[in-house]
Amino acid sequence: AQKITQTQPGMFVQEKEAVTLDCTYDTSDQSYGLFWYKQPSSGEMIFLIYQGSYDEQNATEGRYSLNFQKARKSANLVISASQLGDSAMYFCAMREIQGAQKLVFGQGTRLTINP
Amino acid sequence: SAVISQKPSRDICQRGTSLTIQCQVDSQVTMMFWYRQQPGQSLTLIATANQGSEATYESGFVIDKFPISRPNLTFSTLTVSNMSPEDSSIYLCSVVVRETGELFFGEGSRLTVL
Repeated sequence: AQKITQTQPGMFVQEKEAVTLDCTYDTSDQSYGLFWYKQPSSGEMIFLIYQGSYDEQNATEGRYSLNFQKARKSANLVISASQLGDSAMYFCAMREIQGAQKLVFGQGTRLTINP
Repeated sequence: SAVISQKPSRDICQRGTSLTIQCQVDSQVTMMFWYRQQPGQSLTLIATANQGSEATYESGFVIDKFPISRPNLTFSTLTVSNMSPEDSSIYLCSVVVRETGELFFGEGSRLTVL
């Protein structure tokens, strides 16, 4: 069974600083995808970034990058130059490429950006 | 991309009643999922909605409590039956687009049960 672990319930960061949100995963699948989502207080799930298990390069999307270390089974999200609007819940998730294709989520990290 | 219309966006319900949530997609999808997010918690998969057949439920969720329909490739409903305050949650529809394999979420339905 797949499992996602986020060990940081809450993070507090000064505006303009970089922040790393931790995510480790466990799976017996060879082919899988890793996702990060942002959830503001409105409740919608905002897709941030995706990393495929066979991708050799770390994914980047603007201020977001994913530090993918396959041997260590970690997929940490790095947000550079944090902004007040980055304050939200952040979820790491994993999805099988074949089969059920459902997303399995970690517990989430609440990020607060201080001015 | 896909545009997902999820209704209602929010509702306040009385204990013992049932509410049906709709999820409509503007493109053909292969998979449709329903998630629950209890207050302060992560997302938990309720079931996979299968077209023309019974949904596949995850451990801890049963059809009598959460009946699901999926009559075609672009529409599904989730009913929360005989609600109690513990059912107060955000319920989210998620789809996998047939053409691209990408996964999208609806905006969620925030239910409060009094």
